[in-house]
Amino acid sequence: GEDVEQSLFLSVREGDSSVINCTYTDSSSTYLYWYKQEPGAGLQLLTYIFSNMDMKQDQRLTVLLNKKDKHLSLRIADTQTGDSAIYFCAESMNRDDKIIFGKGTRLHILP
Amino acid sequence: NAGVTQTPKFQVLKTGQSMTLQCAQDMNHNSMYWYRQDPGMGLRLIYYSASEGTTDKGEVPNGYNVSRLNKREFSLRLESAAPSQTSVYFCATTGTGLNQPQHFGDGTRLSIL
Repeated sequence: GEDVEQSLFLSVREGDSSVINCTYTDSSSTYLYWYKQEPGAGLQLLTYIFSNMDMKQDQRLTVLLNKKDKHLSLRIADTQTGDSAIYFCAESMNRDDKIIFGKGTRLHILP
Repeated sequence: NAGVTQTPKFQVLKTGQSMTLQCAQDMNHNSMYWYRQDPGMGLRLIYYSASEGTTDKGEVPNGYNVSRLNKREFSLRLESAAPSQTSVYFCATTGTGLNQPQHFGDGTRLSIL
């Protein structure tokens, strides 16, 4: 069945780069998403990548997609305290309106 | 520019009480969703509605009912609340067509004693 896996925790020093990884199982995924959830709030779409792309860059964010290995990563350059949040990887099914979410990676910023 | 509005934001219930969580969107989106979020479990889909008048079960529908009265509103009802339903509930919407990202409300924090 469909599944999205990601590690639950990541600690990074302020100013370093953060890399959050995700693997997915459904090869028919068309779009892959990264959402950010700050404490007490809903999920906010950060960025997304179409499955025929290898990379997408948006300011401090870089998304890399390895479709062969079904591996997605989100790199945050120059990590700031405001980046502290839970980051969800998600994939869009090609056949219906559902989006499958991973369990989220909690990013902790060390001073 | 409200987007997706959920009410209430917080609620405490006793076991066996009933409650309806409300969700309204002003984006003219067709699809609406109800998720619950529990520690270490991520988001689990309870029910969704691809269009007005239609609803479908998600991953964890037991103990819940939904109603899509019109395009704007999608409500989630707990007929007889149980402590296992203590969670944060999120409503989300997507635009027309496949592969649209989801837009989320700020959540309803529900505790059942």
